[in-house]
Amino acid sequence: EVQLVESGGGLVQPGGSLRLSCEGSGFTFSNYWLHWVRQAPGKGLVWVSRINNDGTSTSYADSVKGRFTISRDNAKNMVYLQMNSLRAEDTAVYYCTKDHGHNDWFDPWGQGALVTVSS
Amino acid sequence: QSVLTQPPSVSGAPGQRVTISCTGSGSNIGAGYDVHWYQQFPGTAPKLLIYSHSNRPSGVPDRFSGSKSGTSASLAITGLQAEDEADYYCRSFDSSLSAVVFGGGTTVTVL
Repeated sequence: EVQLVESGGGLVQPGGSLRLSCEGSGFTFSNYWLHWVRQAPGKGLVWVSRINNDGTSTSYADSVKGRFTISRDNAKNMVYLQMNSLRAEDTAVYYCTKDHGHNDWFDPWGQGALVTVSS
Repeated sequence: QSVLTQPPSVSGAPGQRVTISCTGSGSNIGAGYDVHWYQQFPGTAPKLLIYSHSNRPSGVPDRFSGSKSGTSASLAITGLQAEDEADYYCRSFDSSLSAVVFGGGTTVTVL
């Protein structure tokens, strides 16, 4: 079964940092692009970032550019999202998801990790 | 404000047909980028419902269908059932933003 499992969410103060992790299983991890998508409480889905299969190319939404960094370790089947200079508006459930191709459809999605930015 | 525009809500009686529109522009749907649809129940992760405009993954009932025309796409649910109450999101890619873009989501209510 193809599966993604996020970890690392929690409560952090404004201006603080947090690193989310996502472990993939059931597929050849190094063959696929991966994305992070977030959803603020009661709001819709918003794309955050993506990384290509070997980690040499990344892309970010304007709202997180310069603050968030996506990376991956194919030997460990892991993708990460390092979040710095966090703001209240970054509060959301963060999902990692597998890209079928190159900016193609997303399937499956992880269960999500809640990040709360508050003092 | 989302790049792709969806109605906030649609509703219908059991057995009826409802449609959800997803309106984009010449830099996303109109530029030929595929549209995908996701279904999300409260408190759960989104699930792929339709990919590349009109294709259903294995296990998705055939009462769900998708289409695309010009700068818009649509999701139709025929024979609406109580279990179809959920949020639905369209998704594409925007070349001007160089970013994946989602619609704002549509809540389907079964009356």
